[in-house]
Amino acid sequence: DTAVSQTPKYLVTQMGNDKSIKCEQNLGHDTMYWYKQDSKKFLKIMFSYNNKELIINETVPNRFSPKSPDKAHLNLHINSLELGDSAVYFCASSQSGTGVFEAFFGQGTRLTVV
Amino acid sequence: SQKIEQNSEALNIQEGKTATLTCNYTNYSPAYLQWYRQDPGRGPVFLLLIRENEKEKRKERLKVTFDTTLKQSLFHITASQPADSATYLCALRDISGGGADGLTFGKGTHLIIQP
Repeated sequence: DTAVSQTPKYLVTQMGNDKSIKCEQNLGHDTMYWYKQDSKKFLKIMFSYNNKELIINETVPNRFSPKSPDKAHLNLHINSLELGDSAVYFCASSQSGTGVFEAFFGQGTRLTVV
Repeated sequence: SQKIEQNSEALNIQEGKTATLTCNYTNYSPAYLQWYRQDPGRGPVFLLLIRENEKEKRKERLKVTFDTTLKQSLFHITASQPADSATYLCALRDISGGGADGLTFGKGTHLIIQP
């Protein structure tokens, strides 16, 4: 069983479109995240979501919005896609309260905006 | 906010030798520091964590050191094998504020073990 799974693996879309990426974790973790990895392979956090508290990285445009229907899911919605949004997006999860913050990552979604 | 620098973008090592990767951070010393491995087309995979009060941690052929005076962690792979070829990422939790409560990563070092 895949611990953190995200779909789709590849997403090609036109500028201006709205798209979503789904993420599910079966680890029973209480915190989920979205990270963006750009063309230079730099991995940067976008959001963390724990117990209905959403913390947004200050550099993330408000066109990006995470939505959590339940504790095991954190989907990423992106409105009015721009060329600069092209990147690989990773979902991750961890368990708070352990003081460890070991994160488990999904396989990534490669988003290409044309 | 924290900045993390990893010594080189790419490192070529001959099979059987020890590979040493460096991670330096700029601001406060974190409570712990983590190392991840990332293969092409995959997400990062956790390898090791070392706490601020630990000088060294080992796991099989892997060894991590943590020097809070130098603000540096070293990651060693002994008896390296071609299967160790991957990108290795240093990460810590940035609590300086203004950001999401997750990990801050270095840019990674692409390690190539040549047979």
